[in-house]
Amino acid sequence: DAGVIQSPRHEVTEMGQEVTLRCKPISGHNSLFWYRQTMMRGLELLIYFNNNVPIDDSGMPEDRFSAKMPNASFSTLKIQPSEPRDSAVYFCASSSGTGPMSSPLHFGNGTRLTVT
Amino acid sequence: AQSVSQHNHHVILSEAASLELGCNYSYGGTVNLFWYVQYPGQHLQLLLKYFSGDPLVKGIKGFEAEFIKSKFSFNLRKPSVQWSDTAEYFCAVSLFSGGYNKLIFGAGTRLAVHP
Repeated sequence: DAGVIQSPRHEVTEMGQEVTLRCKPISGHNSLFWYRQTMMRGLELLIYFNNNVPIDDSGMPEDRFSAKMPNASFSTLKIQPSEPRDSAVYFCASSSGTGPMSSPLHFGNGTRLTVT
Repeated sequence: AQSVSQHNHHVILSEAASLELGCNYSYGGTVNLFWYVQYPGQHLQLLLKYFSGDPLVKGIKGFEAEFIKSKFSFNLRKPSVQWSDTAEYFCAVSLFSGGYNKLIFGAGTRLAVHP
């Protein structure tokens, strides 16, 4: 089991540029989550998908952020245009099951985004 | 709104000291409870979880947590910490609502253990 795979590990870009973060969940997991971690706000849930369908995107900061999950093995988080305040570590996580007995999340190694 | 509160943002201990990190949540429905740990430069890893049954759950590396339903609390404990326990600890609550689970994290507690 390769775990949740995120790419790139580090991204440095200039303000105004488009940034795309990628995630491959664990095979067989049907829920996928995007989190953002900063010193100021801690770990924030941005969006989560179940069976490739976005269930709750209320955590997405603004229209500059968008997320897609075209199939069960791939998701992207896009920021366009990027701003310095978007600098953070972005984690993708996956889990299985949607019933009350949810399985724990498995996190990827994160993408550290720096917007200058 | 549902929330998870961790009482301490930073904790500094000496090796062999006992540890207790507080966690309270605000949600009256069915919940699953978790503690995750994030070692420096790494991703979050599951420390322990509570779904049902014995409210005292034991996790990896000697950690345990007690679910007290009446207090909406799920405090993390370890009798004797080690330098290698230096990390950030996150309490999380999984809410089951509308047929889906949603995991909400607390702000985290940074633990520094001095040799």
